[in-house]
Amino acid sequence: ETGVTQSPTHLIKTRGQQVTLRCSSQSGHNTVSWYQQALGQGPQFIFQYYREEENGRGNFPPRFSGLQFPNYSSELNVNALELDDSALYLCASSLFMTGEGTQYFGPGTRLLVL
Amino acid sequence: KQEVTQIPAALSVPEGENLVLNCSFTDSAIYNLQWFRQDPGKGLTSLLLIQSSQREQTSGRLNASLDKSSGRSTLYIAASQPGDSATYLCAVPGSTGNQFYFGTGTSLTVIP
Repeated sequence: ETGVTQSPTHLIKTRGQQVTLRCSSQSGHNTVSWYQQALGQGPQFIFQYYREEENGRGNFPPRFSGLQFPNYSSELNVNALELDDSALYLCASSLFMTGEGTQYFGPGTRLLVL
Repeated sequence: KQEVTQIPAALSVPEGENLVLNCSFTDSAIYNLQWFRQDPGKGLTSLLLIQSSQREQTSGRLNASLDKSSGRSTLYIAASQPGDSATYLCAVPGSTGNQFYFGTGTSLTVIP
């Protein structure tokens, strides 16, 4: 059973650019959630995808968007990058949509916006 | 909106000591509560998941308790080791179940 993987591991962008982060969920998991973790803070929920549909969104602007593919892998896209977008982006997969199951996290993508 | 608080923010103990980390949450209508470990700059590793119907969950030297009515959970680590040094986070799902709310974590240092 493969775990959650994320790519790339590190990324440096400049203000105004766009970025795409990728996540492969654990085998058999149909739900993927994305979180942003600023330094010294707990992860903040961005959005969740269940069977290719967005299923809930946190307090993030529309320039944060996502996709989930038929194989349940997922992308997080961020447009018009701002300095405050610098953070660790975490992807989590689970079996259940309703929060009843264990969430399994990937190693994260460290994004630095200059 | 669910709010999660973890106390203390940082903890330093000598090797071998038993310790307790605390987590409190404001909305007691939760499906479960999950404890995670995070090493510096890394992702989160799930330690224990306690369902709302459970009071305790154990894994090795770790024991987590849940008191829904008071909105509290504790993570007990027995016989701490330097390898236990990490940040420990607790998380609970919101009322819709699709997002998890995290505390800011407790940074644990175990001194050899």
